[in-house]
Amino acid sequence: GAGVSQSPSNKVTEKGKDVELRCDPISGHTALYWYRQSLGQGLEFLIYFQGNSAPDKSGLPSDRFSAERTGGSVSTLTIQRTQQEDSAVYLCASSLAGTSGNTGELFFGEGSRLTVL
Amino acid sequence: DQQVKQNSPSLSVQEGRISILNCDYTNSMFDYFLWYKKYPAEGPTFLISISSIKDKNEDGRFTVFLNKSAKHLSLHIVPSQPGDSAVYFCAARRSSYKLIFGSGTRLLVRP
Repeated sequence: GAGVSQSPSNKVTEKGKDVELRCDPISGHTALYWYRQSLGQGLEFLIYFQGNSAPDKSGLPSDRFSAERTGGSVSTLTIQRTQQEDSAVYLCASSLAGTSGNTGELFFGEGSRLTVL
Repeated sequence: DQQVKQNSPSLSVQEGRISILNCDYTNSMFDYFLWYKKYPAEGPTFLISISSIKDKNEDGRFTVFLNKSAKHLSLHIVPSQPGDSAVYFCAARRSSYKLIFGSGTRLLVRP
């Protein structure tokens, strides 16, 4: 499809298990973001990939969280030893940010809802 | 340190009236501002944006105003429609740096 695709759409896991969330950005978009939205909260920045630059990991809440972006396209967000407070909707977005003349509008996927029991 | 703040968690207006959503920011280096709308169980969608070199941008029923001296922006929706009921996020960025979002304002437009 033409939009940002995320999988799985829903994930229920047990406390202590590892999870992987995947994001397929819009083809050609150089920037990729991960945000999360906990129940009743705003959009919390997690990590930002821009082209070949080192990612901005300043939003990752703990060292249990990591993300990578392979080949400048698909990204995987990994949460190790999940905790109940990790339950949230994890949103991926991509944009052409950084390219000349572009406004950097983000296009979001529909999110992956993670529930940690 | 919350660089983008939406101090009103919710707003309720009558259909046909004006909705005004407010946003404040602390970083004077921000040069681009955006508003996103989010329905339940969907990702946020882009609504309207404004560059720091402007003080107003209009798109149909939606107008964004930017007051740089006050570090304040607002989104006006006129006339408001029930379909506008959603959570509205403002966001700001500097150059190609990360986009930072506010906590959102839930708008309810009453028929």
